[in-house]
Amino acid sequence: GAGVSQSPSNKVTEKGKDVELRCDPISGHTALYWYRQSLGQGLEFLIYFQGNSAPDKSGLPSDRFSAERTGGSVSTLTIQRTQQEDSAVYLCASSQGPSGEQYFGPGTRLTVT
Amino acid sequence: QQQVKQSPQSLIVQKGGIPIINCAYENTAFDYFPWYQQFPGKGPALLIAIRPDVSEKKEGRFTISFNKSAKQFSLHIMDSQPGDSATYFCAATDNTDKLIFGTGTRLQVFP
Repeated sequence: GAGVSQSPSNKVTEKGKDVELRCDPISGHTALYWYRQSLGQGLEFLIYFQGNSAPDKSGLPSDRFSAERTGGSVSTLTIQRTQQEDSAVYLCASSQGPSGEQYFGPGTRLTVT
Repeated sequence: QQQVKQSPQSLIVQKGGIPIINCAYENTAFDYFPWYQQFPGKGPALLIAIRPDVSEKKEGRFTISFNKSAKQFSLHIMDSQPGDSATYFCAATDNTDKLIFGTGTRLQVFP
């Protein structure tokens, strides 16, 4: 079946603008994760959704970052007032449930100019 | 406490060689240790994973060795091929399910 998909694949934005990144998890996967991959910080956890539970937002780097998951499926990561240090690849992963194997999408490369 | 330390940063082997990538952790609550393979421009792909109740796991040419007392685990790639050239990440997680990644190892396999 289809894997995790993300859109857009690339996004270039001006400093100060808001951006929205989308993730479509594998069908039937109840858990969804966002990670960020940057040269300076490696791969770091951002936020985790599991079913109808409150999301674990402990990895979000600032209050400019937020995410939602509608209908237990598609998720959107929003970055407000983007800064140059937000430039990175944003990766989404999903798993069948808690403690399940996480499968990653191809990522969205965000460049803030 | 939350770090996963990975070495080496880069590795070059000839085809048929056995590259070994090592990881170490401190958090004894970690109970799941996956390895991911990432090609340029792609997302990480799950390669193999182990839980601490076993000391070794093999899947095809890939083997994880796990030493619970030393809090270390390693990936061995048998009969390496040029197509194995990629960046490899170890990771660990506990019951929070948040993956903590190592810093990655760039592997190059020459024909």
